Amino acid sequence: QSALTQPASVSGSPGQSITISCTGTSSDVGGYNFISWYQQHPGKAPKLLIYDVDTRPSGVSSRFSGSKSGNTASLTLSGLQTEDEADYYCSSYTDINNLEVVFGGGTKLTVL
Amino acid sequence: EVQLVQSGAVMKKPGESLKISCKGSDYGFTSYWIGWVRRVPGKDLEWMGIIYPGDSDARYSPSFRGRVTFSVDNSITTAFLQWSSLEASDTAIYYCVRRGITISGVAEYFYDYWGQGTVVTVSS
Repeated sequence: QSALTQPASVSGSPGQSITISCTGTSSDVGGYNFISWYQQHPGKAPKLLIYDVDTRPSGVSSRFSGSKSGNTASLTLSGLQTEDEADYYCSSYTDINNLEVVFGGGTKLTVL
Repeated sequence: EVQLVQSGAVMKKPGESLKISCKGSDYGFTSYWIGWVRRVPGKDLEWMGIIYPGDSDARYSPSFRGRVTFSVDNSITTAFLQWSSLEASDTAIYYCVRRGITISGVAEYFYDYWGQGTVVTVSS
Protein backbone atom coordinates (compact mmCIF):
# COMPACT_ATOMS: atom_id res chain seq x y z
CA GLN A 1 0.00 0.00 0.00
CA SER A 2 1.59 3.24 -1.18
CA ALA A 3 1.48 6.32 0.98
CA LEU A 4 0.07 8.23 -2.01
CA THR A 5 -2.08 6.39 -4.54
CA GLN A 6 -1.38 6.73 -8.25
CA PRO A 7 -2.73 4.68 -11.16
CA ALA A 8 -0.22 2.04 -12.17
CA SER A 9 -0.41 3.02 -15.82
CA VAL A 10 -1.93 5.48 -18.24
CA SER A 11 -1.64 5.74 -21.99
CA GLY A 12 -2.33 8.20 -24.76
CA SER A 13 -1.60 8.94 -28.37
CA PRO A 14 0.75 11.65 -29.61
CA GLY A 15 -0.92 15.05 -29.41
CA GLN A 16 -3.47 13.97 -26.82
CA SER A 17 -3.66 15.05 -23.18
CA ILE A 18 -3.54 12.78 -20.16
CA THR A 19 -3.96 13.30 -16.44
CA ILE A 20 -2.30 11.36 -13.64
CA SER A 21 -3.91 11.47 -10.22
CA CYS A 22 -2.27 11.28 -6.82
CA THR A 23 -4.53 10.66 -3.83
CA GLY A 24 -3.50 11.09 -0.23
CA THR A 25 -5.06 12.28 3.01
CA SER A 26 -5.53 15.46 4.99
CA SER A 27 -2.13 14.77 6.58
CA ASP A 28 -0.34 15.21 3.28
CA VAL A 29 -1.91 16.14 -0.08
CA GLY A 30 -5.09 17.63 1.38
CA GLY A 31 -3.42 19.58 4.15
CA TYR A 32 -0.50 21.23 2.39
CA ASN A 33 0.43 22.77 -0.93
CA PHE A 34 3.82 21.06 -1.04
CA ILE A 35 3.00 18.68 -3.90
CA SER A 36 5.70 17.85 -6.41
CA TRP A 37 5.92 15.67 -9.50
CA TYR A 38 8.91 13.87 -10.98
CA GLN A 39 9.58 12.19 -14.32
CA GLN A 40 11.92 9.24 -14.59
CA HIS A 41 13.12 7.62 -17.78
CA PRO A 42 14.59 4.10 -17.52
CA GLY A 43 18.08 4.14 -16.08
CA LYS A 44 17.99 7.89 -15.45
CA ALA A 45 17.67 10.01 -12.35
CA PRO A 46 14.22 11.46 -11.60
CA LYS A 47 13.64 15.00 -12.88
CA LEU A 48 11.55 17.62 -11.11
CA LEU A 49 8.55 18.69 -13.21
CA ILE A 50 6.27 20.53 -10.81
CA TYR A 51 6.55 21.82 -7.23
CA ASP A 52 4.21 23.58 -4.83
CA VAL A 53 1.22 22.01 -6.64
CA ASP A 54 1.48 23.98 -9.88
CA THR A 55 4.87 25.67 -10.24
CA ARG A 56 7.17 24.62 -13.08
CA PRO A 57 10.92 24.96 -12.60
CA SER A 58 12.81 26.88 -15.23
CA GLY A 59 13.31 24.74 -18.32
CA VAL A 60 10.32 22.45 -17.86
CA SER A 61 7.89 22.48 -20.76
CA SER A 62 4.59 24.32 -20.34
CA ARG A 63 2.92 21.12 -21.56
CA PHE A 64 3.21 19.93 -17.94
CA SER A 65 0.78 21.39 -15.42
CA GLY A 66 -0.29 20.56 -11.88
CA SER A 67 -3.39 21.08 -9.79
CA LYS A 68 -5.01 19.95 -6.56
CA SER A 69 -8.54 19.40 -5.29
CA GLY A 70 -9.11 18.14 -1.78
CA ASN A 71 -6.92 15.11 -1.10
CA THR A 72 -6.09 14.54 -4.77
CA ALA A 73 -3.36 16.19 -6.80
CA SER A 74 -3.13 15.86 -10.57
CA LEU A 75 -0.47 16.14 -13.25
CA THR A 76 -1.67 16.94 -16.76
CA LEU A 77 0.46 16.46 -19.86
CA SER A 78 -0.86 18.12 -22.99
CA GLY A 79 0.29 17.54 -26.56
CA LEU A 80 1.78 14.13 -25.76
CA GLN A 81 5.12 13.34 -27.36
CA THR A 82 6.90 10.03 -27.63
CA GLU A 83 9.66 11.27 -25.32
CA ASP A 84 7.06 11.73 -22.56
CA GLU A 85 6.94 7.95 -22.16
CA ALA A 86 8.36 7.47 -18.67
CA ASP A 87 7.44 6.83 -15.05
CA TYR A 88 5.87 9.69 -13.10
CA TYR A 89 5.91 10.06 -9.32
CA CYS A 90 4.07 12.42 -7.04
CA SER A 91 5.31 13.52 -3.65
CA SER A 92 3.84 15.49 -0.78
CA TYR A 93 4.97 16.95 2.50
CA THR A 94 3.50 14.97 5.37
CA ASP A 95 2.97 15.75 9.03
CA ILE A 96 2.98 12.16 10.22
CA ASN A 97 5.63 9.75 11.43
CA ASN A 98 8.38 12.39 11.57
CA LEU A 99 8.79 12.05 7.83
CA GLU A 100 9.40 14.98 5.53
CA VAL A 101 7.75 13.69 2.39
CA VAL A 102 5.91 10.66 1.10
CA PHE A 103 5.85 9.41 -2.46
CA GLY A 104 3.33 7.80 -4.72
CA GLY A 105 3.87 4.38 -6.21
CA GLY A 106 4.50 5.78 -9.67
CA THR A 107 2.57 5.77 -12.94
CA LYS A 108 3.92 4.32 -16.17
CA LEU A 109 2.94 6.52 -19.11
CA THR A 110 2.83 4.80 -22.46
CA VAL A 111 2.59 6.90 -25.60
CA LEU A 112 0.89 4.69 -28.18
CA GLU B 1 25.35 23.06 -14.27
CA VAL B 2 24.28 21.74 -10.89
CA GLN B 3 25.09 18.06 -10.51
CA LEU B 4 24.94 15.37 -7.87
CA VAL B 5 27.24 12.50 -8.80
CA GLN B 6 27.04 9.33 -6.76
CA SER B 7 29.52 6.54 -6.22
CA GLY B 8 29.19 3.32 -8.20
CA ALA B 9 27.28 0.11 -7.65
CA VAL B 10 28.47 -2.10 -4.85
CA MET B 11 27.98 -5.70 -3.73
CA LYS B 12 28.40 -6.56 -0.06
CA LYS B 13 27.76 -9.41 2.34
CA PRO B 14 25.42 -9.22 5.34
CA GLY B 15 27.18 -7.77 8.35
CA GLU B 16 29.66 -5.73 6.30
CA SER B 17 29.91 -1.96 6.52
CA LEU B 18 29.43 0.47 3.62
CA LYS B 19 29.75 4.17 2.88
CA ILE B 20 28.41 5.61 -0.37
CA SER B 21 28.97 9.14 -1.58
CA CYS B 22 27.24 11.97 -3.38
CA LYS B 23 29.34 14.83 -4.75
CA GLY B 24 27.65 18.14 -5.40
CA SER B 25 29.02 20.60 -7.92
CA ASP B 26 28.29 24.04 -9.37
CA TYR B 27 26.29 25.38 -6.44
CA GLY B 28 26.78 26.52 -2.85
CA PHE B 29 27.02 23.07 -1.29
CA THR B 30 26.71 24.25 2.30
CA SER B 31 23.49 26.19 1.63
CA TYR B 32 21.22 23.36 0.54
CA TRP B 33 19.93 20.34 2.44
CA ILE B 34 20.92 16.97 0.95
CA GLY B 35 18.45 14.12 1.36
CA TRP B 36 18.56 10.39 0.75
CA VAL B 37 15.77 8.41 -0.92
CA ARG B 38 15.61 4.63 -1.21
CA ARG B 39 13.91 2.44 -3.76
CA VAL B 40 13.66 -1.24 -2.95
CA PRO B 41 12.92 -3.24 -6.12
CA GLY B 42 9.18 -3.41 -6.66
CA LYS B 43 8.40 -0.95 -3.88
CA ASP B 44 7.84 2.78 -3.50
CA LEU B 45 10.37 5.51 -3.09
CA GLU B 46 11.09 6.03 0.64
CA TRP B 47 12.41 9.19 2.25
CA MET B 48 15.31 8.21 4.52
CA GLY B 49 16.28 11.56 5.92
CA ILE B 50 18.17 14.75 5.28
CA ILE B 51 21.32 16.61 6.33
CA TYR B 52 22.31 20.27 6.17
CA PRO B 53 25.95 20.59 5.15
CA GLY B 54 26.19 24.04 6.73
CA ASP B 55 26.08 22.63 10.26
CA SER B 56 25.63 18.84 9.77
CA ASP B 57 22.14 19.00 11.29
CA ALA B 58 20.65 15.62 10.34
CA ARG B 59 17.10 14.32 10.52
CA TYR B 60 16.20 10.68 10.04
CA SER B 61 13.03 8.86 9.13
CA PRO B 62 12.00 6.63 12.06
CA SER B 63 12.39 3.66 9.72
CA PHE B 64 16.09 4.39 9.25
CA ARG B 65 17.17 6.04 12.50
CA GLY B 66 19.91 3.98 14.11
CA ARG B 67 20.42 1.93 10.95
CA VAL B 68 22.20 4.51 8.81
CA THR B 69 24.30 7.61 9.34
CA PHE B 70 24.48 10.75 7.22
CA SER B 71 27.61 12.87 7.06
CA VAL B 72 29.26 15.49 4.89
CA ASP B 73 32.76 16.66 3.99
CA ASN B 74 32.40 20.24 2.85
CA SER B 75 36.04 20.44 1.74
CA ILE B 76 35.13 18.09 -1.11
CA THR B 77 31.43 19.05 -1.36
CA THR B 78 30.39 15.48 -0.74
CA ALA B 79 27.64 13.87 1.32
CA PHE B 80 27.81 10.32 2.60
CA LEU B 81 25.39 7.59 3.60
CA GLN B 82 26.81 4.78 5.68
CA TRP B 83 25.87 1.51 7.30
CA SER B 84 27.84 -0.26 10.02
CA SER B 85 26.21 -3.64 9.46
CA LEU B 86 24.33 -4.32 6.25
CA GLU B 87 21.34 -6.62 5.95
CA ALA B 88 19.88 -8.28 2.87
CA SER B 89 16.87 -5.97 3.20
CA ASP B 90 19.18 -3.01 2.47
CA THR B 91 19.37 -4.15 -1.15
CA ALA B 92 18.04 -1.16 -3.08
CA ILE B 93 18.86 1.87 -5.20
CA TYR B 94 19.84 4.87 -3.12
CA TYR B 95 19.43 8.40 -4.47
CA CYS B 96 20.82 11.58 -3.03
CA VAL B 97 18.68 14.65 -3.65
CA ARG B 98 19.04 18.39 -3.23
CA ARG B 99 16.20 20.03 -1.37
CA GLY B 100 14.86 23.07 -3.19
CA ILE B 101 14.67 26.53 -1.67
CA THR B 102 12.51 29.57 -2.33
CA ILE B 103 13.86 32.82 -3.75
CA SER B 104 14.11 34.09 -0.18
CA GLY B 105 16.20 31.07 0.79
CA VAL B 106 13.55 29.16 2.75
CA ALA B 107 13.84 25.39 2.38
CA GLU B 108 11.02 23.77 0.52
CA TYR B 109 9.68 20.22 0.32
CA PHE B 110 10.72 19.25 -3.16
CA TYR B 111 13.96 17.95 -4.59
CA ASP B 112 15.26 19.89 -7.56
CA TYR B 113 18.29 17.74 -8.35
CA TRP B 114 18.80 14.00 -8.00
CA GLY B 115 21.90 11.88 -8.19
CA GLN B 116 21.99 9.04 -10.68
CA GLY B 117 21.47 6.47 -7.92
CA THR B 118 23.77 3.92 -6.30
CA VAL B 119 22.77 0.27 -6.54
CA VAL B 120 23.54 -1.57 -3.32
CA THR B 121 23.26 -5.35 -3.34
CA VAL B 122 23.61 -7.25 -0.08
CA SER B 123 23.82 -11.00 -0.46
CA SER B 124 25.69 -13.86 1.08
